[in-house]
Amino acid sequence: NAGVTQTPKFQVLKTGQSMTLQCAQDMNHNSMYWYRQDPGMGLRLIYYSASEGTTDKGEVPNGYNVSRLNKREFSLRLESAAPSQTSVYFCASNNYGYTFGSGTRLTVV
Amino acid sequence: DQQVKQNSPSLSVQEGRISILNCDYTNSMFDYFLWYKKYPAEGPTFLISISSIKDKNEDGRFTVFLNKSAKHLSLHIVPSQPGDSAVYFCAAALEGNQFYFGTGTSLTVIP
Repeated sequence: NAGVTQTPKFQVLKTGQSMTLQCAQDMNHNSMYWYRQDPGMGLRLIYYSASEGTTDKGEVPNGYNVSRLNKREFSLRLESAAPSQTSVYFCASNNYGYTFGSGTRLTVV
Repeated sequence: DQQVKQNSPSLSVQEGRISILNCDYTNSMFDYFLWYKKYPAEGPTFLISISSIKDKNEDGRFTVFLNKSAKHLSLHIVPSQPGDSAVYFCAAALEGNQFYFGTGTSLTVIP
């Protein structure tokens, strides 16, 4: 099925560990995004990529890095995970309306 | 600073009745608005959109109304069905780029 694929679906990290969340879309969209969703906070933009080769900070970029590997793939990296980064992470691609992945539930202990 | 606000965290409605979900925004330059629906453990899915040049858009049981002077949009679901129970997010964008999301309203449709 066409859409946005995120891996992994669940992850538990210890404080200070690093990991990369993977995202791929097969809709040939130029724009891709990483959001986090926290209770009572809605969806907050971490980073986005308007096109291949470009990335920009969103509302809450601190503690994260991203890579737009090619048009299909946009990864999110936590270099040194902190408990405050416990959240559900959604990747999305955009063509006048987002298509979201199914999310990654990350717990940092 | 929340640019898009959904002031009702939850709403309960009887099956067959109308559900009205509300959303307010602060930036008068927003030109595109959307509603998303989210079930637990799934990503949000697109429901309906409206451009700022319109004041109403209808798709089956779902109608979105936009009041630009009040910076307010609403989603009407008629008739409401139990399968509509989900969290609904409104979102606003400038020139179709970065979208700003509300905090969501959890709708429960009671059979």
